[in-house]
Formats: sequence, C-alpha cells, structure tokens
Amino acid sequence: EAGVTQFPSHSVIEKGQTVTLRCDPISGHDNLYWYRRVMGKEIKFLLHFVKESKQDESGMPNNRFLAERTGGTYSTLKVQPAELEDSGVYFCASSQLAASEKLFFGSGTQLSVL
Amino acid sequence: AQTVTQSQPEMSVQEAETVTLSCTYDTSENNYYLFWYKQPPSRQMILVIRQEAYKQQNATENRFSVNFQKAAKSFSLKISDSQLGDTAMYFCAFMKHTWGGSQGNLIFGKGTKLSVKP
Repeated sequence: EAGVTQFPSHSVIEKGQTVTLRCDPISGHDNLYWYRRVMGKEIKFLLHFVKESKQDESGMPNNRFLAERTGGTYSTLKVQPAELEDSGVYFCASSQLAASEKLFFGSGTQLSVL
Repeated sequence: AQTVTQSQPEMSVQEAETVTLSCTYDTSENNYYLFWYKQPPSRQMILVIRQEAYKQQNATENRFSVNFQKAAKSFSLKISDSQLGDTAMYFCAFMKHTWGGSQGNLIFGKGTKLSVKP
C-alpha cells in the first residue's frame, strides 16, 4: 500500500514567487493534515481537512497560505507570495476517521525562499 | 495551551548500548496521547511508540519503551541495544483526546538528534 506522498521533495524559489505543494494521502484516509517545521523550531500544526472540508485551520500563519482539498482526495498548499520566513519543511499526514490519533506522515517538502 | 519540551538537542550512544531521551509536557487536560516520532535522514516521520494517558502501563515496542510519569508530566523514551539505523531526529509529541475521537493536532517538541556510533 502506498504511503503519504508529497511533491515536490524540494523547492527553491525567490521571494515574491508562488509555490504549490501537493500531498497525496493514503487511499481511504478522510483526515489530512499539514504541518510545518521552520529551521530550529518545533513542528507546528497548520490545518486539518476532513474529506474536502477544513476542520481546523487555526495554525495557518497568514492569508498568503491557501490550502485546498477538492474532491476530498489530494491536497495542495499554495504560498503566494512567498516570503523568506516561509522557508522550512512542510509535512503532510493522513489518518482514518475512526482512529485519527494514528497519523501517517509523508517525507515532507523542503521549501527554500531566497 | 499545551507545550512539549525536549531538553536534549543532541545525544550520542555507542552501538548496542542503551540511551534515554527526555520529554516533559505541560497540559491541564486529563485525557491525551503521547508519541515519539523518528525522523531519519530520509525525512519521513515514523511513529515509534504511542501512549494513552489513561493507561498506567508503559508502552513497549520491541527495543523501544517509555517511562510515562503522568503526575510529573514526563514521557521519556528508552532505546535498548541501539543500532546504527536508530540514528535520527526524535520528536516527542502530545495530542489532546476529545470525545468522538482525537483531532490530529499534534504538538511537538523541538526534537533530539540521536547519533548511534559504531
């Protein structure tokens, strides 16, 4: 069974540009989460989807970040325009609805904003 | 608000020996979960071990075990017979339990970088 996959694995962009990160959860997992780790700091929760609905987006840093999950399958996280402080590793995780404390993580996208 | 503290940024251990990673947390919740995640160089976060706060018995998974002290809000990870493949970042994490199921909002510590030396 395929795990959680994220694309791209690395992205280097200039300040002011737009970047879109993609996450494909494990098939059948209704819950999808985005987390971020800025260098030297804790991994922080960004938001949580249940199917296509945003259950909790309390961790989204500002309105430059837009997450979508059309059709309740894969999710995208767009940063527009990117700023230097957005650099970090963006993790996606998924879980089944019935056992949502068991999260399966992807390998993350390393984003570098220059 | 909940916080998780890992006071050891880096640790090293000789292969085949035992090492303990520390984690403390702060919460006013009574029902919650605690986790240790491992992040090897491949970067994928892997669940190592999980503990439900209502269970007094410490969780064990093969060479990995925890010392869960609820009153002290301490959740240390012991790795026995360390192997080279255990080299990784280790993150301690907290999740609040809510009725109807947890919401998946993990609160992480800053991590401990463990190096296993041959």
